[in-house]
Amino acid sequence: ETGVTQSPTHLIKTRGQQVTLRCSSQSGHNTVSWYQQALGQGPQFIFQYYREEENGRGNFPPRFSGLQFPNYSSELNVNALELDDSALYLCASSLENNEQFFGPGTRLTVL
Amino acid sequence: GQQLNQSPQSMFIQEGEDVSMNCTSSSIFNTWLWYKQDPGEGPVLLIALYKAGELTSNGRLTAQFGITRKDSFLNISASIPSDVGIYFCAGQLNTGNQFYFGTGTSLTVIP
Repeated sequence: ETGVTQSPTHLIKTRGQQVTLRCSSQSGHNTVSWYQQALGQGPQFIFQYYREEENGRGNFPPRFSGLQFPNYSSELNVNALELDDSALYLCASSLENNEQFFGPGTRLTVL
Repeated sequence: GQQLNQSPQSMFIQEGEDVSMNCTSSSIFNTWLWYKQDPGEGPVLLIALYKAGELTSNGRLTAQFGITRKDSFLNISASIPSDVGIYFCAGQLNTGNQFYFGTGTSLTVIP
């Protein structure tokens, strides 16, 4: 059984740029949730995808968008990057809306 | 958004001691999850709780879903050095699919 994987591991961007982060869900899981974790804080829910549709969204602006593919993998896209977007971005997969299992995260630094 | 308060914020204990931490909310949750996160990695699921009053163990870890459904507790018995990390609680409301994370408890075990 393959766990949740994320790519890339680290990323450095400059303000105003756009970024795409990727997540492969654990085998057998059909739901992917994305979280932003700032240093020293708990993860904050960005949104969830289920059956290729957005299935709930946290308090994040529209420049945060996502996709889910038929194989249940997912992408998080952030446009017009701001300095405050620097964080660890975590992807979690689950079967329906049950227990969520996290990937190792992508560390994004915006300069 | 929902605020989950964890206490204590940090703990420094001797190896072999027992640990207790808790998580409280102003809202009623129908699911509680406990995670452990090591630096630079994604959170790892420890225990999931689904019913008020439920007591669940995972090795030396025991967690309880509070009777009021507004709190949860995690105990670690006979701590060892590898217990070091940050422990997060996460709760899910009856409505919606978002998990709200607590502020975290940082545990240091002194050999």
